[in-house]
Amino acid sequence: EAGVTQSPTHLIKTRGQQATLRCSPISGHTSVYWYQQALGLGLQFLLWYDEGEERNRGNFPPRFSGRQFPNYSSELNVNALELEDSALYLCASSSSRGRRDTQYFGPGTRLTVL
Amino acid sequence: AQSVTQLGSHVSVSEGALVLLRCNYSSSVPPYLFWYVQYPNQGLQLLLKYTSAATLVKGINGFEAEFKKSETSFHLTKPSAHMSDAAEYFCAVSDGWDSSYKLIFGSGTRLLVRP
Repeated sequence: EAGVTQSPTHLIKTRGQQATLRCSPISGHTSVYWYQQALGLGLQFLLWYDEGEERNRGNFPPRFSGRQFPNYSSELNVNALELEDSALYLCASSSSRGRRDTQYFGPGTRLTVL
Repeated sequence: AQSVTQLGSHVSVSEGALVLLRCNYSSSVPPYLFWYVQYPNQGLQLLLKYTSAATLVKGINGFEAEFKKSETSFHLTKPSAHMSDAAEYFCAVSDGWDSSYKLIFGSGTRLLVRP
């Protein structure tokens, strides 16, 4: 069974540009989560999508947005990029909405903002 | 609100020695706790999880963790370290009392294994 996949592996942008990151969950999983792992800031929750809707978002500005498609894949968009947006962006999926459900992570997209 | 504290940003052990990585949690509801491992330039891999069944949880690669409510701890152990265990380890608590499920992570502990 294929795991969570993310694309691209690396992304280099300049300040002010927009970045689009993609995630495909494990087959059968309906929930997708996005996390940011920035140097010195640890792993922080960004967004949670389930059944096509945004269910929760972390303490990030509105220029971080995304969506979930009918096939449950997801896209994270970051507008007006800033240098501090440089980070590893991790996507995770789970089979349902439950606190005890395991979130399975993809390999991440490394975003570098110059 | 839930939170996780990992004591020690770096832990160094000799190959074959006991591994002990510390995690303390704070939770206003019965916690669900997870340990993940991250190898260089990779995502997170689940090692084990506690979901209110047995307090001693066995995971992959010989790791186990014990949930101690009285100490609010969920320390990760492995009897004998292997070179391949060198990685960063994250403890996490599932926060979702209001149906807004997300993981809250500790700051991570980097495990170094000396030959």
